[in-house]
Amino acid sequence: EDQVTQSPEALRLQEGESSSLNCSYTVSGLRGLFWYRQDPGKGPEFLFTLYSAGEEKEKERLKATLTKKESFLHITAPKPEDSATYLCAACSGSARQLTFGSGTQLTVLP
Amino acid sequence: DGGITQSPKYLFRKEGQNVTLSCEQNLNHDAMYWYRQDPGQGLRLIYYSQIVNDFQKGDIAEGYSVSREKKESFPLTVTSAQKNPTAFYLCASTPENTGELFFGEGSRLTVL
Repeated sequence: EDQVTQSPEALRLQEGESSSLNCSYTVSGLRGLFWYRQDPGKGPEFLFTLYSAGEEKEKERLKATLTKKESFLHITAPKPEDSATYLCAACSGSARQLTFGSGTQLTVLP
Repeated sequence: DGGITQSPKYLFRKEGQNVTLSCEQNLNHDAMYWYRQDPGQGLRLIYYSQIVNDFQKGDIAEGYSVSREKKESFPLTVTSAQKNPTAFYLCASTPENTGELFFGEGSRLTVL
């Protein structure tokens, strides 16, 4: 059974304090690892797709990396507007075979 | 602007009632999905459809039903058979069969 575990469940940072979110996955034949951002009361918004170990993607203050067992979302010098829940999902085939983690709730304090 | 529109945003239901959640997209995507989100859990797939007039059960389909009569529309009915329907419901679509999903803003259903 495919499993995705995210840690920590919640993270509070001071503005400018860099950190990383973890996404551990157990998937039979990874076809893609996806990161989403979700604001309170809203639907998730797609951020990144990673396909193979060693791959990295960047967008503003966010950088996603992938190994054979984990993905990390690095947040450099975060701002309060980066506060959100970050979800990761692993795909073992079609989009129907997408397994989501429970998310990390990030709060960036001014 | 293209996107996915879900309605209503908030819905209250009495026990024993069926309710229907609307999902409309103008992205011209073939595949559409319904997910359920509960606190502390990952999104769980209820139903999905890859083409008009065809849909498949997801991991937690019991107590739910869907239809796909038009490419743009994929409504979800939460029936009285669903034991614990209070949740946040998310509709999504994708142009290809990948995990890069476009989500609507969600519908929050509360059973009184």
